[in-house]
Amino acid sequence: AQSVTQLDSHVSVSEGTPVLLRCNYSSSYSPSLFWYVQHPNKGLQLLLKYTSAATLVKGINGFEAEFKKSETSFHLTKPSAHMSDAAEYFCVVKSEGYNNNDMRFGAGTRLTVKP
Amino acid sequence: KAGVTQTPRYLIKTRGQQVTLSCSPISGHRSVSWYQQTPGQGLQFLFEYFSETQRNKGNFPGRFSGRQFSNSRSEMNVSTLELGDSALYLCASSFRGETEAFFGQGTRLTVV
Repeated sequence: AQSVTQLDSHVSVSEGTPVLLRCNYSSSYSPSLFWYVQHPNKGLQLLLKYTSAATLVKGINGFEAEFKKSETSFHLTKPSAHMSDAAEYFCVVKSEGYNNNDMRFGAGTRLTVKP
Repeated sequence: KAGVTQTPRYLIKTRGQQVTLSCSPISGHRSVSWYQQTPGQGLQFLFEYFSETQRNKGNFPGRFSGRQFSNSRSEMNVSTLELGDSALYLCASSFRGETEAFFGQGTRLTVV
């Protein structure tokens, strides 16, 4: 079984301040973990992925995430928020077992960036 | 390289009707997955197709069905539409299914 919990439904930061979006996961198999971003009325865009290589993963637009197996966490961070970062963010876990390729999405975290 | 293309972008249907949505994956991708996104339930997995075979299925009633063609394009069909089927339907493609998925912009279905 696999599941994802995003600990905050809404995060609000000021432009130029750090961003932290929290994600905990549960997986019976070695997981692959992803962060996707969704802007209003748009599809999902991949920010970054973890697939059992380096535990600190760098993504697009200055985002990065650290895989911590002991804490079953995969938090997303960015040193300095930009107005264009305002969007919905989804943490995703994916099992690598054969015939079990469905992705499990967290409930999402809405990021608001204040000027 | 073109991205994942979903058509149509918007649909309005009446309860009881049926609807077909289309998804063209990125060239070379053989896995196509479908998801339903609603404000109440979030993103839920519908099914995955790989090389014209349904490989995995989520927990949705039989009114939801799909298929994949030899060129990897996929269609999703919903019969006997209900008001609760109103949602954004997202399609994602990947090279084999084990790699990261790329999403289309979605089809917004409104059932009235």
